[in-house]
Amino acid sequence: RKEVEQDPGPFNVPEGATVAFNCTYSNSASQSFFWYRQDCRKEPKLLMSVYSSGNEDGRFTAQLNRASQYISLLIRDSKLSDSATYLCVVNDPDRDDKIIFGKGTRLHILP
Amino acid sequence: DAGVIQSPRHEVTEMGQEVTLRCKPISGHDYLFWYRQTMMRGLELLIYFNNNVPIDDSGMPEDRFSAKMPNASFSTLKIQPSEPRDSAVYFCASSLVPLVEQYFGPGTRLTVT
Repeated sequence: RKEVEQDPGPFNVPEGATVAFNCTYSNSASQSFFWYRQDCRKEPKLLMSVYSSGNEDGRFTAQLNRASQYISLLIRDSKLSDSATYLCVVNDPDRDDKIIFGKGTRLHILP
Repeated sequence: DAGVIQSPRHEVTEMGQEVTLRCKPISGHDYLFWYRQTMMRGLELLIYFNNNVPIDDSGMPEDRFSAKMPNASFSTLKIQPSEPRDSAVYFCASSLVPLVEQYFGPGTRLTVT
């Protein structure tokens, strides 16, 4: 099983719709989780951290499911500007908390 | 603050040549990371430094790659000799402490012909 796995997509979603995607991780001892956003030909930027109880930031909701070892990102009322690649990030406690990036899920918001 | 600065932004070189990528982290950030991104392998951590000291270089692909951080405001990643399979985008990132937000530079797009 890969350390961090994401559906590569692309997810093609009409503007205004709700979209959600998951990220699975292999190490049950992982404690730190993040979602980064990367625009085409740009650098990754932190979108939000993921807390145990779940957290929301405007139209974005992140959740953690420890039992099934995945995190999720939900985007409500999607905008054209949400089109990007979303990278899941997880720490690996067995390797000095090395940060592992998923390969990302591509999201296309359609007008 | 100007953010993480990388140079050059684009580099095209011939196989066998030496390539040096440069990074200036955000002032005050104690951690500096070098990543490589390709379509096939995604974003891979090559090496990271804490207070200018290399902590984990297990991601460095082979001896052709080397990285240094002579002071808190400057780091280099060197490839010698370069090969076509080294073609990728190389990102530098910095953070105050590990496990929190990393700030990425704009990247260096390397093409080895």
